[in-house]
Amino acid sequence: TQLLEQSPQFLSIQEGENLTVYCNSSSVFSSLQWYRQEPGEGPVLLVTVVTGGEVKKLKRLTFQFGDARKDSSLHITAAQPGDTGLYLCAGASGNQFYFGTGTSLTVIP
Amino acid sequence: SQTIHQWPATLVQPVGSPLSLECTVEGTSNPNLYWYRQAAGRGLQLLFYSVGIGQISSEVPQNLSASRPQDRQFILSSKKLLLSDSGFYLCAWTGYSSEQYFGPGTRLTVT
Repeated sequence: TQLLEQSPQFLSIQEGENLTVYCNSSSVFSSLQWYRQEPGEGPVLLVTVVTGGEVKKLKRLTFQFGDARKDSSLHITAAQPGDTGLYLCAGASGNQFYFGTGTSLTVIP
Repeated sequence: SQTIHQWPATLVQPVGSPLSLECTVEGTSNPNLYWYRQAAGRGLQLLFYSVGIGQISSEVPQNLSASRPQDRQFILSSKKLLLSDSGFYLCAWTGYSSEQYFGPGTRLTVT
């Protein structure tokens, strides 16, 4: 079993603050995705990173894939209440996907 | 565009009863399909995946089973539910860039 550990597990911050979520594994993945999930709904894809060292930016969100393709980080600048949700990373290996343990983010207005 | 449907949205079943959850995908052909289970506020546990009709791979030994009778239909079943089968069940298909697209999920409560 290929495990993906996310940290922190829970995060509660004030609106306007910055934060970083980490996703770590001892396994190498062909690609890594980040998803956000709201209660009672399915996860929604935010980004896919493929190349070691790759950095992608989506507005206030910055995603980085580790050089060795074993880890990733998600940085949010100036968090807003709409960023609240469960953030999940997932590593792809062949036809299988291995999901991280999840980071529950609450942004307080 | 592609869409994925799951039903029912919620289900309350007694211990020992059977289960059938259905997932269908529209707008794509021969997708890889997946069933996951999620505990509250946690990550997703892969249960089954399928790369084609009649082809099922199981990740976790349990009292659940899956079938793929048609190209875009994926069914999760059980003959006798256990309390530990409660959870949020998600179906997904894989896009061309190895990303996953999820259905709305089924909340199963076994009483």
